[in-house]
Amino acid sequence: DAGVIQSPRHEVTEMGQEVTLRCKPISGHDYLFWYRQTMMRGLELLIYFNNNVPIDDSGMPEDRFSAKMPNASFSTLKIQPSEPRDSAVYFCASSLKLGGAETQYFGPGTRLLVL
Amino acid sequence: DAKTTQPNSMESNEEEPVHLPCNHSTISGTDYIHWYRQLPSQGPEYVIHGLTSNVNNRMASLAIAEDRKSSTLILHRATLRDAAVYYCILRDRSPYGNKLVFGAGTILRVKS
Repeated sequence: DAGVIQSPRHEVTEMGQEVTLRCKPISGHDYLFWYRQTMMRGLELLIYFNNNVPIDDSGMPEDRFSAKMPNASFSTLKIQPSEPRDSAVYFCASSLKLGGAETQYFGPGTRLLVL
Repeated sequence: DAKTTQPNSMESNEEEPVHLPCNHSTISGTDYIHWYRQLPSQGPEYVIHGLTSNVNNRMASLAIAEDRKSSTLILHRATLRDAAVYYCILRDRSPYGNKLVFGAGTILRVKS
């Protein structure tokens, strides 16, 4: 399996622009997670889906952030409008189940820089 | 969620064993102990997990104290590729589990 795939790997944009990050989870995994990592806040969960349905979006920082999962093999995280404080590495992860013994598999991340 | 405490950083020599400690004094009976690591410029990756008994896999060993209030991740022979941030995380064993909550972790430096 190719693992979790994220695109783009790097994104540089200007403040106010719309940014769309993409993720393809491991085939057969029921759960998909979006994380953000910054030096100040570390690695934090933004939102997760179960069978394409958003379950917990309590980590989404504000309304400028939205996430969708139109099918089992694709998810997007959109920031509109983007701000410099959104600069971070965004990771997507997937897992078969959510139980305490389950493993999450992370993608390589998207490095976002908002100027 | 129960919390874990790890040293900020540790250093090891190449080819020597490394013992990474984690304290979790408020662990509940239903918490699994997970370890993930994050290599430079990569996403976190699973290392090992356990509940009560010590565990071994191809990457590492996990030693769990009898009272489960602490655990130690053991890398038997550190290599330069093991330099990473290591995270100790507790997860409830219920089918709905808990989300992975990452702390600051331990930065492991490996000297050649």
